[in-house]
Amino acid sequence: GAGVSQSPRYKVAKRGQDVALRCDPISGHVSLFWYQQALGQGPEFLTYFQNEAQLDKSGLPSDRFFAERPEGSVSTLKIQRTQQEDSAVYLCASSLGAAMTDTQYFGPGTRLTVL
Amino acid sequence: SQKIEQNSEALNIQEGKTATLTCNYTNYSPAYLQWYRQDPGRGPVFLLLIRENEKEKRKERLKVTFDTTLKQSLFHITASQPADSATYLCALAHAGNNRKLIWGLGTSLAVNP
Repeated sequence: GAGVSQSPRYKVAKRGQDVALRCDPISGHVSLFWYQQALGQGPEFLTYFQNEAQLDKSGLPSDRFFAERPEGSVSTLKIQRTQQEDSAVYLCASSLGAAMTDTQYFGPGTRLTVL
Repeated sequence: SQKIEQNSEALNIQEGKTATLTCNYTNYSPAYLQWYRQDPGRGPVFLLLIRENEKEKRKERLKVTFDTTLKQSLFHITASQPADSATYLCALAHAGNNRKLIWGLGTSLAVNP
């Protein structure tokens, strides 16, 4: 079946622009995660949803970052007034349930470049 | 501060040999630790999970050990193949917030034919 998909795959923004990144998780998956991965680094946790509830947003770096999952399926990560330090790959992952050991399935990521 | 360290240098080995990758952590009490593989331009792919009360886990040519006294996990690939070439990431979940994964920087492995 289809895996996690993300769009766009690449996004170039001018500093100060707002961007919206989309994640389509695997159908029926309860949990959804967003990560930020800078070049040569490991992923950094941003936020976690269980269905439509955002249970942990402790990793969002500033109030310019906002994530939503209004119907418990598709999620959008929005970054307002982008800065150069926001340049990174944004990864989305989903898992079937809410157990700590449920496997996370990752999408290919959206590479954001802020000029 | 809390830290996860993996082999900082890229690992180059000959096909057929065993690759051993290291993940060390400080100031954590992990509930479990995971290993992932990541290829260029792709998201990480889950490989193995080991819980705090487990010493060793195996899956085909893969083996993970977990020593909570040394605060270390070792990841072994036996009979390595060129197709095993990738970056390998370890990630752990703190006992207090076990849905939030904390990741190492990854180790690049190259298996030469």
